[in-house]
Amino acid sequence: DGGITQSPKYLFRKEGQNVTLSCEQNLNHDAMYWYRQDPGQGLRLIYYSQIVNDFQKGDIAEGYSVSREKKESFPLTVTSAQKNPTAFYLCASRDRGHEQYFGPGTRLTVT
Amino acid sequence: EDQVTQSPEALRLQEGESSSLNCSYTVSGLRGLFWYRQDPGKGPEFLFTLYSAGEEKEKERLKATLTKKESFLHITAPKPEDSATYLCAVDQGAQKLVFGQGTRLTINP
Repeated sequence: DGGITQSPKYLFRKEGQNVTLSCEQNLNHDAMYWYRQDPGQGLRLIYYSQIVNDFQKGDIAEGYSVSREKKESFPLTVTSAQKNPTAFYLCASRDRGHEQYFGPGTRLTVT
Repeated sequence: EDQVTQSPEALRLQEGESSSLNCSYTVSGLRGLFWYRQDPGKGPEFLFTLYSAGEEKEKERLKATLTKKESFLHITAPKPEDSATYLCAVDQGAQKLVFGQGTRLTINP
């Protein structure tokens, strides 16, 4: 069964701690994306990668970091420098077409 | 700056009551307009892609249309299971999508 998996579904951290969100896809897609979704707002692009070992900043990259060592994996680290990390985080992937397909999301709460 | 605005923010309908959701966009050179459905606490589910003015796509009770400045998502005889947030997005180049805020649709039985 092909798809995108994100883990964990819920994540709780204390302020000042870095946390890494997992995103894995077995769709053989080249491009992968990380978005953040806040209540009442649309999805905002954090980082994206069009190929292994390459990635670009999106509109709100400050306080986040990523890596793309394997085609299947695109983990996102939320660092302590991110001022408002509590949000719903969505990972997506895209094949040679234009459509992006999303994972189930990770809800991060930082207190 | 590319912008996507969806209206209304929320819409409540009775089962069987048809209506339309609007997505207005300003983008230099449309490379694709996308509609997604999102259920609470879940990731968006892809519905349609539209590329050029006049294009239409249908899926069950949903039909998406596109003009040069906006897109409509028409919902015909909706059922309670159509309740969700509907998101519109445009490709602003380099395969980056700009999303609207969404329309929260509730269908009452």
